[in-house]
Amino acid sequence: AQSVTQPDIHITVSEGASLELRCNYSYGATPYLFWYVQSPGQGLQLLLKYFSGDTLVQGIKGFEAEFKRSQSSFNLRKPSVHWSDAAEYFCAVAPSGNTGKLIFGQGTTLQVKP
Amino acid sequence: NAGVTQTPKFRVLKTGQSMTLLCAQDMNHEYMYWYRQDPGMGLRLIHYSVGEGTTAKGEVPDGYNVSRLKKQNFLLGLESAAPSQTSVYFCASSRTGTGNQPQHFGDGTRLSIL
Repeated sequence: AQSVTQPDIHITVSEGASLELRCNYSYGATPYLFWYVQSPGQGLQLLLKYFSGDTLVQGIKGFEAEFKRSQSSFNLRKPSVHWSDAAEYFCAVAPSGNTGKLIFGQGTTLQVKP
Repeated sequence: NAGVTQTPKFRVLKTGQSMTLLCAQDMNHEYMYWYRQDPGMGLRLIHYSVGEGTTAKGEVPDGYNVSRLKKQNFLLGLESAAPSQTSVYFCASSRTGTGNQPQHFGDGTRLSIL
C-alpha cells in the first residue's frame, strides 16, 4: 500500500540554524510529491511540489526539497530558520493518475528556539 | 480573494446530535475533499467529489455523509455524532484530479463531541 513516513514527530532548532525535515514514501512509480506547512489554527499552505525534472525544487519562504529516487525520499531543507517557521510540516504524495487523492505523512512539528 | 471557506470554525456537539459542515470555494475547482486531522495521524481523507453532483468515499468515510449539489459547495454531514468524531476537519479543492494539481485548503473546523 502507498504510504508516507515522516520519521521525526518533533524537531527543535535554534533560530539561524539549518533545517532538514525527512520524508520517505512507499510507491511503485515516481509519484507527485508535496510539502505543506500548517501554522497554528490555520489550514495547510503549499510550500513546494515535485513532478519531474530537476530533483532539487525551490519553494516559498526560502524552502527547498530534494527528490532522491534511490532512497524514496523527499526531504525539506532551509539554510537558516526564522522564528516564524515554527509550524507543523506535512509531506504528501499524490499517486499518478486522476484520482486527486493525497496521502499525508504524520507531520513534523518544528519548534524554533530564540 | 477568499479561496476555500469553511463554516463554522468551531462547534461543540453532544453525542447523538447531527450537524453539517459547509465548505465553499470560489476558484471554480472541479474536485473537492473533506479531511479529518487527528494528532499523530496527519490528514485522512473522508470523502471527495470529482464534480458537481458526484461524491466518493475516501479512507475513513464511516459515520459521515456528503453532498455536492453546487460546484462551489461541498457539505459534510454527521447524522449521529460520536466522541470518536472529535477532530479538526479540513476542506480542500483542486482544479482537476491530476496529481500535479495542488490542493487548496480552508482554515478548518474544530469539532468537539461530548
